[in-house]
Amino acid sequence: EPEVTQTPSHQVTQMGQEVILRCVPISNHLYFYWYRQILGQKVEFLVSFYNNEISEKSEIFDDQFSVERPDGSNFTLKIRSTKLEDSAMYFCASGMAREKLFFGSGTQLSVL
Amino acid sequence: QKEVEQDPGPLSVPEGAIVSLNCTYSNSAFQYFMWYRQYSRKGPELLMYTYSSGNKEDGRFTAQVDKSSKYISLFIRDSQPSDSATYLCATTNTGNQFYFGTGTSLTVIP
Repeated sequence: EPEVTQTPSHQVTQMGQEVILRCVPISNHLYFYWYRQILGQKVEFLVSFYNNEISEKSEIFDDQFSVERPDGSNFTLKIRSTKLEDSAMYFCASGMAREKLFFGSGTQLSVL
Repeated sequence: QKEVEQDPGPLSVPEGAIVSLNCTYSNSAFQYFMWYRQYSRKGPELLMYTYSSGNKEDGRFTAQVDKSSKYISLFIRDSQPSDSATYLCATTNTGNQFYFGTGTSLTVIP
């Protein structure tokens, strides 16, 4: 069964460093998303991406964040200068229809 | 504003019991309603989705939406130990931003 693949599963970084979280969505899916979940809190929307552009972003998704779909298969989330409060589990999701999303297993980001 | 409210539990039931999980939401514009299951340190897994009011059944799972009271439910019949997980409700109007509940932790005791 196809699945959304995320790498790395764990990422430890120093505050102020740049990180890139990588995702391979399910082939033929059209809609792509990044969500995050701080330990013990709700899953929070970051950004949605369709037709090679951002369709919606949340207040969390400020200028430190960017997304790319560089080669038609990968979907990346870049955090330019990480802060302590960026520590969270980051989930990539994709779907053929926007209401039916499939999530990856996540990347646990720890900012020290 | 809390778009979606969900009792975090924890909820503990004996095997074979009927489980009822519930959420309320605030925005009447929400049209799509989803239930996800999340195991520890894993991504949410889509269980059910419904559009607007009504019931939808899939095996042992039934999703119910009452838009008049802004209330969504998931029923699990003949619960199994493998159903032990955190259950998240979610909703959206545009399909871009999903609003998730906090999740209800369920344990089914053999």
